[in-house]
Amino acid sequence: SQQGEEDPQALSIQEGENATMNCSYKTSINNLQWYRQNSGRGLVHLILIRSNEREKHSGRLRVTLDTSKKSSSLLITASRAADTASYFCAPGYEIYNQGGKLIFGQGTELSVKP
Amino acid sequence: GAVVSQHPSWVICKSGTSVKIECRSLDFQATTMFWYRQFPKQSLMLMATSNEGSKATYEQGVEKDKFLINHASLTLSTLTVTSAHPEDSSFYICSAFGTSGRETQYFGPGTRLLVL
Repeated sequence: SQQGEEDPQALSIQEGENATMNCSYKTSINNLQWYRQNSGRGLVHLILIRSNEREKHSGRLRVTLDTSKKSSSLLITASRAADTASYFCAPGYEIYNQGGKLIFGQGTELSVKP
Repeated sequence: GAVVSQHPSWVICKSGTSVKIECRSLDFQATTMFWYRQFPKQSLMLMATSNEGSKATYEQGVEKDKFLINHASLTLSTLTVTSAHPEDSSFYICSAFGTSGRETQYFGPGTRLLVL
């Protein structure tokens, strides 16, 4: 399967707490991307991490990548109610000439309670 | 970044009619666009890859005669749902690569289709 599998499927936390979501995949990747989807909206690109990178930061987001375990994690620090959304990871297989298409898993549904 | 728009944002139609959904790249040229479908509480399912000036590449199980894709210019791809039925009711989302290369995909806001 080319898709990433997010875990947990659902996560409920209080505002101010940190949220950690995990992604596992099965074949070698060129990069891995995380996206956010608010209810009824399109996807917003959050961060891309390449296969030769281990960690990347963007604001309150921290992404790690462990290619030996074929897994990635997304950490949102000091969560806010506005972070409530579904989060998807998307492994990128461009180097295998997949045409750049992304296959999405079921996502993690994050609920941040005020 | 890059901005992708879709039109209409939502549409209601009668069973048997055809519906056209537009996907535009507003501030960049997109030789490749992707069309996804999403049912409630489910993930996005890739339907097809739209290539400017050539035929679209459909994913397995997607009926190409039902979901017509036309990518006639570098900024516009259209998805036409022909002879729509209630089971075609879904959220349709397009995406495109930005100008920074073929890594990051930028998504449109989606089109909600309801077939009565």
